[in-house]
Amino acid sequence: RKEVEQDPGPFNVPEGATVAFNCTYSNSASQSFFWYRQDCRKEPKLLMSVYSSGNEDGRFTAQLNRASQYISLLIRDSKLSDSATYLCVVNTNAGKSTFGDGTTLTVKP
Amino acid sequence: GAVVSQHPSWVICKSGTSVKIECRSLDFQATTMFWYRQFPKQSLMLMATSNEGSKATYEQGVEKDKFLINHASLTLSTLTVTSAHPEDSSFYICSASISLGEKLFFGSGTQLSVL
Repeated sequence: RKEVEQDPGPFNVPEGATVAFNCTYSNSASQSFFWYRQDCRKEPKLLMSVYSSGNEDGRFTAQLNRASQYISLLIRDSKLSDSATYLCVVNTNAGKSTFGDGTTLTVKP
Repeated sequence: GAVVSQHPSWVICKSGTSVKIECRSLDFQATTMFWYRQFPKQSLMLMATSNEGSKATYEQGVEKDKFLINHASLTLSTLTVTSAHPEDSSFYICSASISLGEKLFFGSGTQLSVL
């Protein structure tokens, strides 16, 4: 079993749709959690950190459930520009970052 | 946010040559930097952890004599792909964080094509 598992996707949605991505992690010692976005042949860019209290940034909402070792990302009112691969990243305090395989989102007109 | 600069952005070279990729933290000191490789439509694969002033830690299956890492200062790590072959063609990315366990900042990546 992989340390970080994401929905395999791909997700193909129309503009304006709401889409949710899930991620689970196996290391209970994990301390910090992030969602990154990666465009084709580009470096990953931080989308948002994920906190137990949940956090929202515009159309994006991230949730963390430590008991279930589960992270989610919700995108509302999808835009064409949201098309990308979304990476779930889990860090331990020792500095090790583990990446999920990513979930590809395509938003269509 | 913190900035990590990586260059070159792309390299085309002949088989058998060595290629050096630089990764710099521009506005913070990075005791630790990370090097990844990414093949098309696959996830990032951690190759090694670069530690300033000491030897890099390589992931299982990554040849340390093939992929030489030098982290000579708190702002610079280099990855040298020695005697590159076509199967080494890939997208190489570095990253660093201001402190361990915190969010990563990535370089812009280097697309290596070995002919």
